[in-house]
Amino acid sequence: AQSVTQLGSHVSVSEGALVLLRCNYSSSVPPYLFWYVQYPNQGLQLLLKYTSAATLVKGINGFEAEFKKSETSFHLTKPSAHMSDAAEYFCAVSPGGYNKLIFGAGTRLAVHP
Amino acid sequence: EPEVTQTPSHQVTQMGQEVILRCVPISNHLYFYWYRQILGQKVEFLVSFYNNEISEKSEIFDDQFSVERPDGSNFTLKIRSTKLEDSAMYFCASSGSTGELFFGEGSRLTVL
Repeated sequence: AQSVTQLGSHVSVSEGALVLLRCNYSSSVPPYLFWYVQYPNQGLQLLLKYTSAATLVKGINGFEAEFKKSETSFHLTKPSAHMSDAAEYFCAVSPGGYNKLIFGAGTRLAVHP
Repeated sequence: EPEVTQTPSHQVTQMGQEVILRCVPISNHLYFYWYRQILGQKVEFLVSFYNNEISEKSEIFDDQFSVERPDGSNFTLKIRSTKLEDSAMYFCASSGSTGELFFGEGSRLTVL
């Protein structure tokens, strides 16, 4: 069975500080991993994805994530937070491909001046 | 840029009523999905649809729910006899040859 755990339902950072959102997954088969962002009153937008190629994945808006099989992690980072990054972020896993996504509970990122 | 569109954006209904949520997937996509997000909880998979039939469904997707692609462009989710616990944001998604899912902005359902 597949599952995703996001550590920290709320993360608050200062503008310009490092953003680190944690995601650990469980999968019985090689997974595809995703980070989605949800701005208020909007849908889910794909930030980046890991599909068994390079372990360091770069996405939109300066975000990146590193797949670490030994740690079963796929943490999302951004070197310098911007006010516009305030949103809810969801990590998701798909077993061996696309189609059905299993989402984590989400992490709400707040960015303060 | 092509996008998935959903209507209505918000629907309020009385318990026991039937609701139909509509989605227009991206035109050349062949796989369609419904997910839901109860307020404050995680996004949950409901059902996937391909080639005019359900390809996979979750435990949530019981006989109260049905999906249909009535006219080659719309993809609908019908909820019969709504319950209070059906109140949620319902997201439609579609995918094409790359497999990547594109989500709509969601339909918020409130059951009173």
